[in-house]
Amino acid sequence: SAVISQKPSRDICQRGTSLTIQCQVDSQVTMMFWYRQQPGQSLTLIATANQGSEATYESGFVIDKFPISRPNLTFSTLTVSNMSPEDSSIYLCSVDGGRGAYNEQFFGPGTRLTVL
Amino acid sequence: SQQGEEDPQALSIQEGENATMNCSYKTSINNLQWYRQNSGRGLVHLILIRSNEREKHSGRLRVTLDTSKKSSSLLITASRAADTASYFCATDAGGYNKLIFGAGTRLAVHP
Repeated sequence: SAVISQKPSRDICQRGTSLTIQCQVDSQVTMMFWYRQQPGQSLTLIATANQGSEATYESGFVIDKFPISRPNLTFSTLTVSNMSPEDSSIYLCSVDGGRGAYNEQFFGPGTRLTVL
Repeated sequence: SQQGEEDPQALSIQEGENATMNCSYKTSINNLQWYRQNSGRGLVHLILIRSNEREKHSGRLRVTLDTSKKSSSLLITASRAADTASYFCATDAGGYNKLIFGAGTRLAVHP
């Protein structure tokens, strides 16, 4: 299994500002995923990040709001731009198990974001 | 959109009792997975069951899958206070490695 770390673990931000969340994996992985978990809710996939290509965003999420970088096979960042209180959520990155298609995913500990 | 529905939304039991959580989904799948989340932290993968499997065990966990009813259940036997967490089912109906999560069941196990 992969070991995933995220920075920061939590942050409190003012509306209108941006926050970049980092996700580091201890092994090379092809696909990385970013999820949002709003308070008391389940997880919703924001985008899939593959190294060397543009991230693929799910319906309801746009690159201008959630720009993603994937500079190499062990690292990715998600930026939450021009934040509003509605962006207060836990943001989680994950990676696939890497043994072909349709695997389990391994999750980072999450970044708890509060926007005032 | 989320396609998994779970029930109950919340479950409160005593240590030693069994806990059963159910998950339903809407479209065909290749596999269904169960995850645990402690207090808003990261998710821990528990078990994956493929569409051609009907039952799977892992320690105190037992998962069943009924593709004809598009439903799955997670049974935790002899529960412990440390099992207190939220449990989510997730299917691959979103596409290649794209998980769609259910709403989750909040389990509280009291000593």
